[in-house]
Amino acid sequence: GAVVSQHPSWVICKSGTSVKIECRSLDFQATTMFWYRQFPKQSLMLMATSNEGSKATYEQGVEKDKFLINHASLTLSTLTVTSAHPEDSSFYICSARRPMNTGELFFGEGSRLTVL
Amino acid sequence: GQQLNQSPQSMFIQEGEDVSMNCTSSSIFNTWLWYKQDPGEGPVLLIALYKAGELTSNGRLTAQFGITRKDSFLNISASIPSDVGIYFCAGQLSDREYGNKLVFGAGTILRVKS
Repeated sequence: GAVVSQHPSWVICKSGTSVKIECRSLDFQATTMFWYRQFPKQSLMLMATSNEGSKATYEQGVEKDKFLINHASLTLSTLTVTSAHPEDSSFYICSARRPMNTGELFFGEGSRLTVL
Repeated sequence: GQQLNQSPQSMFIQEGEDVSMNCTSSSIFNTWLWYKQDPGEGPVLLIALYKAGELTSNGRLTAQFGITRKDSFLNISASIPSDVGIYFCAGQLSDREYGNKLVFGAGTILRVKS
């Protein structure tokens, strides 16, 4: 079964509003989670690394004030798209590793954001 | 930045045929992962490889970690319609500075004729 879960799986919002996406590790504690963005028929682009209890690390070119990440507990990370615009419409996917395992990365189901 | 070259970009094959795809890089990786992604869903891990030369199977899928640690291939035997999807390779660099992040290939779109 799934080990990482995202919610919501899809969301439609008006331009200018903020949207929060949750990512949960279901049967393990994840000190680090990763947020990706994926455009149609393209690969996954890492946006940021979410660190429990500390600030997220953002990849070059990703606006941290635009994409707020909060990793408040060992099983939950949230991505908030602030003041969303149509160009923010995309498929957002989170991932996490089991503790003591530096290899396998498990992904959530993804969240489809459509900004009107 | 680090790059993985994944090929082919897409494949259109007959049901029952074997499929092969690969990823290469100029960088050395300490882990190779292969994922399959269905439309509208997150990637699902198929096979994980941890040692150079390692050959691992998962049902009809077989993947190998290249001896040079710069490449990997995935084979699918006797393809069936449900094999349709996008397959991604992903490598974890051995560079501590890179922080255990994964580098993804561009994906191989697999389409199967029934």
